Amino acid sequence: DSGVTQTPKHLITATGQRVTLRCSPRSGDLSVYWYQQSLDQGLQFLIQYYNGEERAKGNILERFSAQQFPDLHSELNLSSLELGDSALYFCASSARQGSYYGYTFGSGTRLTVV
Amino acid sequence: GEDVEQSLFLSVREGDSSVINCTYTDSSSTYLYWYKQEPGAGLQLLTYIFSNMDMKQDQRLTVLLNKKDKHLSLRIADTQTGDSAIYFCAVGVEDTGRRALTFGSGTRLQVQP
Repeated sequence: DSGVTQTPKHLITATGQRVTLRCSPRSGDLSVYWYQQSLDQGLQFLIQYYNGEERAKGNILERFSAQQFPDLHSELNLSSLELGDSALYFCASSARQGSYYGYTFGSGTRLTVV
Repeated sequence: GEDVEQSLFLSVREGDSSVINCTYTDSSSTYLYWYKQEPGAGLQLLTYIFSNMDMKQDQRLTVLLNKKDKHLSLRIADTQTGDSAIYFCAVGVEDTGRRALTFGSGTRLQVQP
């Protein structure tokens, strides 16, 4: 157990729907990162939050949004889902804003859009 | 932005050494990591090296960094079947948080008994 908790583990939904993925960072970590892992595009950075504020943005679609709450858990909202959004979504956390200690990853949420 | 490249696949025999290679483009990269992903699991941090180092050894793992060529390698000595997994190279530029780690596409290591 890495200490980073992601729920749900699996999600199957239809095109056009909206889902919310949840992440609880490791105790004491202030930064949360979201990554998308698909077969053809590897691990793509989506967005980072640090202590409740958006810190860095990657290749995140406008249909996707995220937030980090005062208790530091984070949610990734995916709307108007398309077949191509099917992927593993990972949350990672770190103690600091940047890369120094590396990140601790959760076990991911596998999203299947049908 | 940063680009990180890895070969897709490596097959070795149990007991041999494995060498997984990674190249990156941003010469200001400061923090370099190797992660391991087993089937159905998240990414596990294996080891790291900072740009002021050339080599780091941690038990069976040896990381080599060639800053001139922007090349990073991970050597696994006495490779075991339990080492079969996908290995990701990840590169960070600085510690302010303005840019997250960039990951390579992963190298699938297959260890044959």
